[in-house]
Amino acid sequence: AQSVAQPEDQVNVAEGNPLTVKCTYSVSGNPYLFWYVQYPNRGLQFLLKYITGDNLVKGSYGFEAEFNKSQTSFHLKKPSALVSDSALYFCAVTPRGRGGSYIPTFGRGTSLIVHP
Amino acid sequence: DAGVIQSPRHEVTEMGQEVTLRCKPISGHDYLFWYRQTMMRGLELLIYFNNNVPIDDSGMPEDRFSAKMPNASFSTLKIQPSEPRDSAVYFCASSHRQGSNQPQHFGDGTRLSIL
Repeated sequence: AQSVAQPEDQVNVAEGNPLTVKCTYSVSGNPYLFWYVQYPNRGLQFLLKYITGDNLVKGSYGFEAEFNKSQTSFHLKKPSALVSDSALYFCAVTPRGRGGSYIPTFGRGTSLIVHP
Repeated sequence: DAGVIQSPRHEVTEMGQEVTLRCKPISGHDYLFWYRQTMMRGLELLIYFNNNVPIDDSGMPEDRFSAKMPNASFSTLKIQPSEPRDSAVYFCASSHRQGSNQPQHFGDGTRLSIL
């Protein structure tokens, strides 16, 4: 069975400082990896994904994520945090393949709070 | 593209009443998902459809919950009778060619409160 772990319920960072939101996963084979962001009273929005190739993936709003196969991790990063980045962040993993059984598994989410 | 549209955005009703949540997926998407989000349990997949056919409803908590997708542009999630523990935010999401590298697109949810 596949699983996703986001070990931190909350991450606090000062505006202008770099941020990291951690994600590790357990799935057979080479999965597709995703990050989503959820702002208050909104649905989840896609940020970025890893498919193949370069381990550093760039996404929306200046976010990037680093895929590490040996550590089965896909940490979300941003060089300089903004107060407006404060939100709930979800990591998700989908096994590769075709067919309806390949649905994503989501982590429990990490609340990012950026202090002015 | 208008995105995934859910209605109502908020619903407050008394225990025992029937509740119907509605979803319009993105045109052309062939997968539709219903999720429930609570503080205690996080994001839970309830059921998903492929080409309007229910594929996996193992996440539906009880027989009080039912979901239908009569056509490619409309789905409902019904709770009858509703109970206070059903209070949560319910999301609908759609995607294209699930199992590939395509992300899911979420609606803004229905916040359900059962008194």
